[in-house]
Amino acid sequence: EVQLVESGGGLVQPGGSLRLSCAASGFTFSSYEMNWVRQAPGKGLEWVSYISSSGSTIYYADSVKGRFTISRDNAKNSLYLQMNSLRAEDTAVYYCAREESFDYWGQGTLVTVSS
Amino acid sequence: SYELTQPPSVSVSPGQTARITCSGDALPKKYAYWYQQKSGQAPVLVIYEDSKRPSGIPERFSGSSSGTMATLTISGAQVEDEADYYCYSTDSSGNRKVFGGGTKLTVL
Repeated sequence: EVQLVESGGGLVQPGGSLRLSCAASGFTFSSYEMNWVRQAPGKGLEWVSYISSSGSTIYYADSVKGRFTISRDNAKNSLYLQMNSLRAEDTAVYYCAREESFDYWGQGTLVTVSS
Repeated sequence: SYELTQPPSVSVSPGQTARITCSGDALPKKYAYWYQQKSGQAPVLVIYEDSKRPSGIPERFSGSSSGTMATLTISGAQVEDEADYYCYSTDSSGNRKVFGGGTKLTVL
């Protein structure tokens, strides 16, 4: 059974940093592209970042470019999102999702940026 | 920046057919995907590559795409189909991945 479990969310002050993790199981993690998607409270889905299976190709949404860094460790079956210079508008539930089709999603981790 | 446009809401009675549209300039060249999100839950893929249905998704869910518009059709909508529905696709380069604004489906 495919499982994606996010962790690392919490309350952080504006300008602060946070590192999210996504632990994958039930499939060959190293063979799949991965994404981060977020959802602000009461709002729609927003794609954040993409990483290819090898990590050689990476894309970011304009809203996070230069502040967020996606990475992966295929040996640990894990996906990461390093978030720096956080703003109030980054407050959201962050999901990791598999593949171009987002065929499997984790349950999400809440990031709250507030003083 | 690239955008996908969905109606904010659609309402049908149980047993009726619900149609949710998604318009975008790159849809003639790029696949559309559809997700169902019930309150407090993670999204679930219900249609991929315009019209394919993942295993476990009821047959009443179908998808189509023509020109710049993709459509999710729920034939014989049921009360349990009440949810937010999002379309997803990419711009013509494939680098920018975009969700539509979402459509709240009410079945009552």
